[in-house]
Amino acid sequence: KNEVEQSPQNLTAQEGEFITINCSYSVGISALHWLQQHPGGGIVSLFMLSSGKKKHGRLIATINIQEKHSSLHITASHPRDSAVYICAVRPGAQKLVFGQGTRLTINP
Amino acid sequence: NAGVTQTPKFQVLKTGQSMTLQCAQDMNHNSMYWYRQDPGMGLRLIYYSASEGTTDKGEVPNGYNVSRLNKREFSLRLESAAPSQTSVYFCASSMDRANEQFFGPGTRLTVL
Repeated sequence: KNEVEQSPQNLTAQEGEFITINCSYSVGISALHWLQQHPGGGIVSLFMLSSGKKKHGRLIATINIQEKHSSLHITASHPRDSAVYICAVRPGAQKLVFGQGTRLTINP
Repeated sequence: NAGVTQTPKFQVLKTGQSMTLQCAQDMNHNSMYWYRQDPGMGLRLIYYSASEGTTDKGEVPNGYNVSRLNKREFSLRLESAAPSQTSVYFCASSMDRANEQFFGPGTRLTVL
């Protein structure tokens, strides 16, 4: 079993829909990251969080440390949000462990 | 700022050939990383450098070597390329190990 599990693996939605991507992990962590990988391959860090909730524009990330679960929400989704979203956790002090990613497609 | 740059963007090698992937960052970051990304798998850490002058193995170091040339540059060398090393390679950097990482554009390597 992977240390980091994302669901769903693939998600297709219509423009304007509210999107939720989930991440569950099995180890104690010091931080959790959400990353976005564009269709062209570039990877951008969206959030780093260790408790509670963070918001950037239409993106919201939450984490429940007790339940070892995080969610990434996108409000008013747009075709430009189409990308692979990657969850990564930091067990302890050092290296990130990555999930396999969720491929999101937003149709106009 | 250029952020994290990688060269080359694409490379095709024959089995047994050697090559070095270059990475540089202009953000004055202390920590740098090399990852590989394969279809159906998450990013996997090959090597990292927590600070200038130090390097450590990651999850999949076999077949690779690294050099932290200075604070800006962190290179990855394949001494004798194998088809199993066909992958997309990403370099990343962070202020220190606990901070968010900034990624380069990636190098797509094919070993025939």
